[in-house]
Amino acid sequence: DTGVSQDPRHKITKRGQNVTFRCDPISEHNRLYWYRQTLGQGPEFLTYFQNEAQLEKSRLLSDRFSAERPKGSFSTLEIQRTEQGDSAMYLCASSLNSYIYFGEGSWLTVV
Amino acid sequence: AQTVTQSQPEMSVQEAETVTLSCTYDTSESDYYLFWYKQPPSRQMILVIRQEAYKQQNATENRFSVNFQKAAKSFSLKISDSQLGDAAMYFCAYRRSSDYKLSFGAGTTVTVRA
Repeated sequence: DTGVSQDPRHKITKRGQNVTFRCDPISEHNRLYWYRQTLGQGPEFLTYFQNEAQLEKSRLLSDRFSAERPKGSFSTLEIQRTEQGDSAMYLCASSLNSYIYFGEGSWLTVV
Repeated sequence: AQTVTQSQPEMSVQEAETVTLSCTYDTSESDYYLFWYKQPPSRQMILVIRQEAYKQQNATENRFSVNFQKAAKSFSLKISDSQLGDAAMYFCAYRRSSDYKLSFGAGTTVTVRA
């Protein structure tokens, strides 16, 4: 499978714990994006990378959230001190040109 | 800020019939892209169709076509000859040509009746 891969697909964590999601983009894609999607809503942009540089961050990305893309390959999204409001699906996407391809998402449930 | 509005939370269509999904957007840009994405339950989001704002001709992909009205800032999706596999959440999305992030509407759930 050469699509966008995300891991884990589902995560249940207790409030206050840290969680990390990983995204492996399509291999030749230089841009990588993170979105958050809550039930019944459209995805909301969080941040994006061009190669290893994080070029834009949404105001939705509080200081508890950090994203990295070392060496311009895979990316991680870490959420520290999780809150119940962080429960959502975290979508990763990648692109080379104007076509953006999405992964299947990582569901986070904070209990 | 750009906003995308999908005013139909749910639409139902009989198999083999046609359904049209509405989308309006707000922008001050003249150059941008519009997209329709399909998200089946527990499945990844798939691009259905794309429209460049500078093109007057409406995009078509097999059974999917759009009606792009730039002056009205309207971008509707028509699904012809609906199939059971078309059942999904459909999202309208906007992107400025000078940017890379997408702004999505709230989505329309399409149900196909056999």
